[in-house]
Amino acid sequence: DAGVIQSPRHEVTEMGQEVTLRCKPISGHDYLFWYRQTMMRGLELLIYFNNNVPIDDSGMPEDRFSAKMPNASFSTLKIQPSEPRDSAVYFCASTNADTQYFGPGTRLTVL
Amino acid sequence: GQNIDQPTEMTATEGAIVQINCTYQTSGFNGLFWYQQHAGEAPTFLSYNVLDGLEEKGRFSSFLSRSKGYSYLLLKELQMKDSASYLCAVRAHAGNMLTFGGGTRLMVKP
Repeated sequence: DAGVIQSPRHEVTEMGQEVTLRCKPISGHDYLFWYRQTMMRGLELLIYFNNNVPIDDSGMPEDRFSAKMPNASFSTLKIQPSEPRDSAVYFCASTNADTQYFGPGTRLTVL
Repeated sequence: GQNIDQPTEMTATEGAIVQINCTYQTSGFNGLFWYQQHAGEAPTFLSYNVLDGLEEKGRFSSFLSRSKGYSYLLLKELQMKDSASYLCAVRAHAGNMLTFGGGTRLMVKP
């Protein structure tokens, strides 16, 4: 299995631009998680899905952030408009049991 | 709310043993996980405890005491490649949602 796939791996954008991060979970996994990691705040859960349905989005920082999972093999996290404080590494993870498997992450820099 | 505490940094010597502690206060408990994260990489799963006691897996062991809200990760025969951050995470309820501690950055010196 290829593991969790994320794209792009690096993204540099200017403040105010729309950013879309993509994730393909491991086939057969029915849970998908989006995390954000910064030095100051550590690893934070933003939102998670079960069977493509959003279960808990209480970690989404504000309305500028949105996430979708149109099917079992694809999810997006969108930031519109982006701000410099959104700069972080964004991880996607998936599981069908106890262990969450993380993708390589997207390093986002907002100038 | 959920509160998970672990030391920020630790230093140890190659070949030695190191214990990384984690204490937690959560609204429920349904398992404790340890992850390893090398700089610039994704977290990778190390261990999982849901019952009290010690789980051993090669050079790594993890201990849990639910009554004390306490866990530790024990690394034996330290190697330079063990230099990484170690993240403690608690699953408070069913549903696989994890809350992570801030991580402990371990530096292994020759």
